[in-house]
Amino acid sequence: AQSVTQPDIHITVSEGASLELRCNYSYGATPYLFWYVQSPGQGLQLLLKYFSGDTLVQGIKGFEAEFKRSQSSFNLRKPSVHWSDAAEYFCAVAGGGADGLTFGKGTHLIIQP
Amino acid sequence: DGGITQSPKYLFRKEGQNVTLSCEQNLNHDAMYWYRQDPGQGLRLIYYSQIVNDFQKGDIAEGYSVSREKKESFPLTVTSAQKNPTAFYLCASSVQGNYGYTFGSGTRLTVV
Repeated sequence: AQSVTQPDIHITVSEGASLELRCNYSYGATPYLFWYVQSPGQGLQLLLKYFSGDTLVQGIKGFEAEFKRSQSSFNLRKPSVHWSDAAEYFCAVAGGGADGLTFGKGTHLIIQP
Repeated sequence: DGGITQSPKYLFRKEGQNVTLSCEQNLNHDAMYWYRQDPGQGLRLIYYSQIVNDFQKGDIAEGYSVSREKKESFPLTVTSAQKNPTAFYLCASSVQGNYGYTFGSGTRLTVV
């Protein structure tokens, strides 16, 4: 079965600084990979997804992620964070079947002035 | 605009009672999903449905039931058999084979 690990429970970044959120997955074949963002008390919004092709994926809100098969990673990056980026971020993997996404436990991003 | 609607936003239940959470979508999506979210636990899949009148158990289906009588609707019943029902419940939908889920805004269930 597939699994996702987000090693960082909390990350604090200064406004304007760069950001990298880590995600490692476990899956036997080429996975479908996703990053979602969740504001408090809200649903999840899709930031970006990787299915195949170019391993550097661009998403909404200035985010990007890079798929590295050799490291089983799909880290999320942003060159300069804004206070509005404070939220919970979830990495997810799908195996191509019909049984839904498997989510990591999330990383809580705190932006300090 | 199309979207997915969950209601109510907040729900309180007494121990021993069943309660039903509503999820409706007008996106014409075939697949619908229910997830449970607990602090520090991420999202865990309860049930999912790919077509009308068919659904499958997810990782934590015990104590829950669903129905899919219409394409647009996928209600979740939290039964008295669910030992720890207090949580945030999220419904999602997607086109078949496309994992770009659209999520509802969630229902927070509290057992009192």
